[in-house]
Amino acid sequence: AQSVAQPEDQVNVAEGNPLTVKCTYSVSGNPYLFWYVQYPNRGLQFLLKYITGDNLVKGSYGFEAEFNKSQTSFHLKKPSALVSDSALYFCAVRDLHSSNTGKLIFGQGTTLQVKP
Amino acid sequence: EAQVTQNPRYLITVTGKKLTVTCSQNMNHEYMSWYRQDPGLGLRQIYYSMNVEVTDKGDVPEGYKVSRKEKRNFPLILESPSPNQTSLYFCASSSKAFGSYEQYFGPGTRLTVT
Repeated sequence: AQSVAQPEDQVNVAEGNPLTVKCTYSVSGNPYLFWYVQYPNRGLQFLLKYITGDNLVKGSYGFEAEFNKSQTSFHLKKPSALVSDSALYFCAVRDLHSSNTGKLIFGQGTTLQVKP
Repeated sequence: EAQVTQNPRYLITVTGKKLTVTCSQNMNHEYMSWYRQDPGLGLRQIYYSMNVEVTDKGDVPEGYKVSRKEKRNFPLILESPSPNQTSLYFCASSSKAFGSYEQYFGPGTRLTVT
């Protein structure tokens, strides 16, 4: 079964420091991977995706993610964190082996706290 | 502006009282779905629709119904809500035209069933 794991419930980082939010996946074949962010009282907003090509994917708000096939990981990164980056982050993979072609399988979410 | 809208945003109801949460998208997307978000569980798909009049169960469909009579609308119906349906609900839409099925989410509906 395809799955996504976010091993950290919460990540704390000081403003200005680099941040990493971890994600590992388990799929058969080549994955379609996504990161979404959820601010308080808001819906999920798309950050970036990996479909194919360059392993380093750049997205919105200065975020990037690195696809690592050998480690089955897709960690979200940002060189310099902002307090406004504090939010709940979800990693997701598209279910490629289902007739439900649009379905995303989500990790449990990681809360990012950036302290001034 | 391309968007997915949901109404109501907040709802408190009692066990057994039928309710409907509306969802509408203005992007002409074929695919629409409903997810529920619970702490520690991420988002789980309730129902989905590949196109008008084509709907099917997701991972947690018990206690829910949907319909897709028009391409833009995909309401979620709880015929007899129970406290275990207290959750945060998201509607999402996407298009197969781009291959990746990047999903657009509504703002969410926080439902409390007492």
